[in-house]
Amino acid sequence: GAVVSQHPSWVICKSGTSVKIECRSLDFQATTMFWYRQFPKQSLMLMATSNEGSKATYEQGVEKDKFLINHASLTLSTLTVTSAHPEDSSFYICSGKREYNEQYFGPGTRLTVT
Amino acid sequence: AQKITQTQPGMFVQEKEAVTLDCTYDTSDPSYGLFWYKQPSSGEMIFLIYQGSYDQQNATEGRYSLNFQKARKSANLVISASQLGDSAMYFCAMRESPNTGNQFYFGTGTSLTVIP
Repeated sequence: GAVVSQHPSWVICKSGTSVKIECRSLDFQATTMFWYRQFPKQSLMLMATSNEGSKATYEQGVEKDKFLINHASLTLSTLTVTSAHPEDSSFYICSGKREYNEQYFGPGTRLTVT
Repeated sequence: AQKITQTQPGMFVQEKEAVTLDCTYDTSDPSYGLFWYKQPSSGEMIFLIYQGSYDQQNATEGRYSLNFQKARKSANLVISASQLGDSAMYFCAMRESPNTGNQFYFGTGTSLTVIP
């Protein structure tokens, strides 16, 4: 299957700082990438849909000014958590859509805000 | 209404036995896709099996098979000959209008524990 990487896999930051998470499709071009967050023992919640070269579409309740998404190329999307707070601590997962029906997930990034 | 419902928060199965994980879905779109993912403790989402709404036959992938009952709107995952490495969270997901890049709807997951 196709490979999606995320960097970093784990990050700890102080409250008030910003953190950038990268999502890369390594062996395919992803015209659409999705960003999810997952709290412990819960399901994945879609945060936003990112299309290359255009603004991301955010789900209801997700602050677009807090969670900045950039999809500058067909292989890279970034999620920046600005002015992070402890309640932003979560597991963030990206996925890339390659073609019909195929969506491949990255390994996830565990964010801890102290 | 929930798009995807998984009613079994936790399941136990004896090693080498088969287990069925339940999933029901809700959609009015005639074209949709159903997916099952496995998430081990490492967190990575691993694709297991896919069933299209127009597929006539139930999908199978190795030890995984999908029991697709369209009229009942159910898409249960059957794992045969369970192995210790099958212990993980399992998520059922659906995407409507597959060609449009629509979002995935995920169920709440089922935690499967395989007992030696």
